[in-house]
Amino acid sequence: AQSVTQPDIHITVSEGASLELRCNYSYGATPYLFWYVQSPGQGLQLLLKYFSGDTLVQGIKGFEAEFKRSQSSFNLRKPSVHWSDAAEYFCAVGTSGTYKYIFGTGTRLKVLA
Amino acid sequence: DVKVTQSSRYLVKRTGEKVFLECVQDMDHENMFWYRQDPGLGLRLIYFSYDVKMKEKGDIPEGYSVSREKKERFSLILESASTNQTSMYLCATAGAKNIQYFGAGTRLSVL
Repeated sequence: AQSVTQPDIHITVSEGASLELRCNYSYGATPYLFWYVQSPGQGLQLLLKYFSGDTLVQGIKGFEAEFKRSQSSFNLRKPSVHWSDAAEYFCAVGTSGTYKYIFGTGTRLKVLA
Repeated sequence: DVKVTQSSRYLVKRTGEKVFLECVQDMDHENMFWYRQDPGLGLRLIYFSYDVKMKEKGDIPEGYSVSREKKERFSLILESASTNQTSMYLCATAGAKNIQYFGAGTRLSVL
């Protein structure tokens, strides 16, 4: 069965530190992969996406993610975190042939000043 | 920019009431979705629609129905609201590029 795992429920980092949020997926074919961010009380905003090609993708707000097929991972990274990055982050897998996504359970990021 | 508008940010309803959550998009997208978001469970798909008057059940359709009479509008209906339907509800749309765009959400409390 298709699934998405975000193993870290909460992560706390200091402002200016680097960040890596983990995402592992289970899917039979090459997936479409997404990272979304949700600020408190808001909807989800797309950070970046991977469909094919270069496995390192750049997104908005200085985020990037790397698709590693051998590890079934799509981890999100940012070299220097800002206080405004505090939010909840969701990884999602899109299935080819449909427009449905499978979402992970999210990672809540706290940023210390 | 894609705009997905959910008619209410907050709703408070009584048990047994019929509840309508409305979602309108301005991008002519064929696909629309309703999700429920609960802490620790992520987003779970309730229903989606791939065309006018077409719908398909998602992972948790029990207690919900939907209506899509026009392409731009997708409604989620709770026929008889119950306390376990207290949650955050998110609407999304997707066009040809298979990217989902979300509304701001409706936080529903059922008392």
